[in-house]
Amino acid sequence: DAKTTQPTSMDCAEGRAANLPCNHSTISGNEYVYWYRQIHSQGPQYIIHGLKNNETNEMASLIITEDRKSSTLILPHATLRDTAVYYCIVRVDGSSNTGKLIFGQGTTLQVKP
Amino acid sequence: GAGVSQSPSNKVTEKGKDVELRCDPISGHTALYWYRQSLGQGLEFLIYFQGNSAPDKSGLPSDRFSAERTGGSVSTLTIQRTQQEDSAVYLCASSPRRSGREYFGPGTRLTVT
Repeated sequence: DAKTTQPTSMDCAEGRAANLPCNHSTISGNEYVYWYRQIHSQGPQYIIHGLKNNETNEMASLIITEDRKSSTLILPHATLRDTAVYYCIVRVDGSSNTGKLIFGQGTTLQVKP
Repeated sequence: GAGVSQSPSNKVTEKGKDVELRCDPISGHTALYWYRQSLGQGLEFLIYFQGNSAPDKSGLPSDRFSAERTGGSVSTLTIQRTQQEDSAVYLCASSPRRSGREYFGPGTRLTVT
């Protein structure tokens, strides 16, 4: 599975959009981009995933560049409850893969009032 | 509906004792994963179950660690002769299949004194 690079930390003002970047320049054609977050003292929580098209759900939007070498997770209106560590993970999905997640250090997002 | 549950939530044990940690996955989920999160370390994969078999045990740190799953449901992670470096939060996750999103439990915090 390809390695990802994320900034160590970011701040965001409450109510503003939080844009979290992720670099995955060695991503393979069959690797998906997954985002999870971990709020303090809780287990990781799935946010969104995509292959090459942009994706949106009730939590966030995922923008993947055309060359798929980077992506951005967008929280459209950040709240204090969005303060967490955000992990960008690339993974092959399919019968040949165990599905295990390889976590990096992630980005610590601090939403400030 | 019920999510992934783990027990106990906290466990304090003396060095050298054996401990068992339990995971109850979401009903019907065939894939089950164990991860560990040590202080100052990231989340690391331990073992993956598909049904009752464990095709990927590559993350188990030593032969003191073992896990089993019965009835395609409950899983138990056993640590024998615990050491202080085993202190960590042990997280369990399940998935309806081996790819796609994983649902994490709240974790068991293990402290070895």
